[in-house]
Amino acid sequence: GDSVTQMEGPVTLSEEACLTINCTYTATGYPSLFWYVQYPGEGLQLLLKATKADDKGSNKGFEATYRKETTSFHLEKGSVQVSDSAVYFCALTISGNTPLVFGKGTRLSVIA
Amino acid sequence: AAGVIQSPRHLIKEKRETATLKCYPIPRHDTVYWYQQGPGQDPQFLISFYEKMQSDKGSIPDRFSAQQFSDYHSELNMSSLELGDSALYFCASSLGRSSYNSPLHFGNGTRLTVT
Repeated sequence: GDSVTQMEGPVTLSEEACLTINCTYTATGYPSLFWYVQYPGEGLQLLLKATKADDKGSNKGFEATYRKETTSFHLEKGSVQVSDSAVYFCALTISGNTPLVFGKGTRLSVIA
Repeated sequence: AAGVIQSPRHLIKEKRETATLKCYPIPRHDTVYWYQQGPGQDPQFLISFYEKMQSDKGSIPDRFSAQQFSDYHSELNMSSLELGDSALYFCASSLGRSSYNSPLHFGNGTRLTVT
């Protein structure tokens, strides 16, 4: 079946450090890929998305590139802030009409 | 802007009791999804509704049922509760069934604790 694998956390970084959270997927069809973020005490929010190979999603300084050859969608940010502390979920949907399948989430803590 | 509203925020029940979780989608959204997130786990899809009809079914136990009403709000009914049902239950809504073209908007969840 379809699945998403994320690097295990927690990830602890100092402010202004570079961030990479790895995400790889297995899909029966051609997936659309997403990153969702969950801040403490809140629901999941869409961070960015990409629909086809080599597409780059970006938002709030975060980027992820859809790599079909490596079935990956790694999340990156050049300089993290304390306010980026949250849990990040990689997710996919097939053809945009199937429910989202989530990875297990990666907790990021950024310290000043 | 209006968001997805879930109630209650917290619920404590004993084994074998029943529970009802409610979800009020964003106005004009016609699709509702229910997810279950166990401690340290990824959200698992339970069930979804589009225009008041069940559209997809995931790993929802037979002890659970759900429906979407004429005003598009949805309720998840859980019976014969077990300790393993303790989790955070998320509701999400979207306009239309496409998860890509209409991203899901999530509520803050209902934390259910079964003792």
